[in-house]
Amino acid sequence: SQQGEEDPQALSIQEGENATMNCSYKTSINNLQWYRQNSGRGLVHLILIRSNEREKHSGRLRVTLDTSKKSSSLLITASRAADTASYFCATDPFIGNQFYFGTGTSLTVIP
Amino acid sequence: DAGITQSPRHKVTETGTPVTLRCHQTENHRYMYWYRQDPGHGLRLIHYSYGVKDTDKGEVSDGYSVSRSKTEDFLLTLESATSSQTSVYFCAISEAPGRSNTGELFFGEGSRLTVL
Repeated sequence: SQQGEEDPQALSIQEGENATMNCSYKTSINNLQWYRQNSGRGLVHLILIRSNEREKHSGRLRVTLDTSKKSSSLLITASRAADTASYFCATDPFIGNQFYFGTGTSLTVIP
Repeated sequence: DAGITQSPRHKVTETGTPVTLRCHQTENHRYMYWYRQDPGHGLRLIHYSYGVKDTDKGEVSDGYSVSRSKTEDFLLTLESATSSQTSVYFCAISEAPGRSNTGELFFGEGSRLTVL
């Protein structure tokens, strides 16, 4: 399987705290993306980081990418109850037209 | 929101029956994908299409076939459904993965299939 893996599988934090989740992948990539999935819904794109970038910000989101370690992290700052969802990383490999998704991190933000 | 419609949204069927799931897009995107989502496995690619009549297999394609006769429609068929195909199926579209643009995926709301 070429799936990546997120770590941790589940995370529970208090509102206002920061949430960090990690993604590891297996192949060389063009870019890495993070998606969010609310319960019972489809995935929604959050942020994309290209293979030649090391860090990217979007609002309360901060993504880092270390291609030498084949890993990425997503930081959500000042979390809110509405951030409760599952978060997935997806890689766009250098060769091929497929996106490979990780197994996801389930985030619960307690009000 | 990207115009992606999946149908049916829910279906219960019996082992051995054929099932077809439909994905319809109004974005004129070139790439279309079918994923299945199962607990502990995340999303796994079944098949994808890179143009009309152009399709390729993903990592879990056994037992599934697809067709794309028009840009806007991508059909997933289970010729003879099995209990192991009970899952939530997601369609996604992309203008062009990687390289020339963002390659962002837009997802439908999912089709929940139960095979008894």
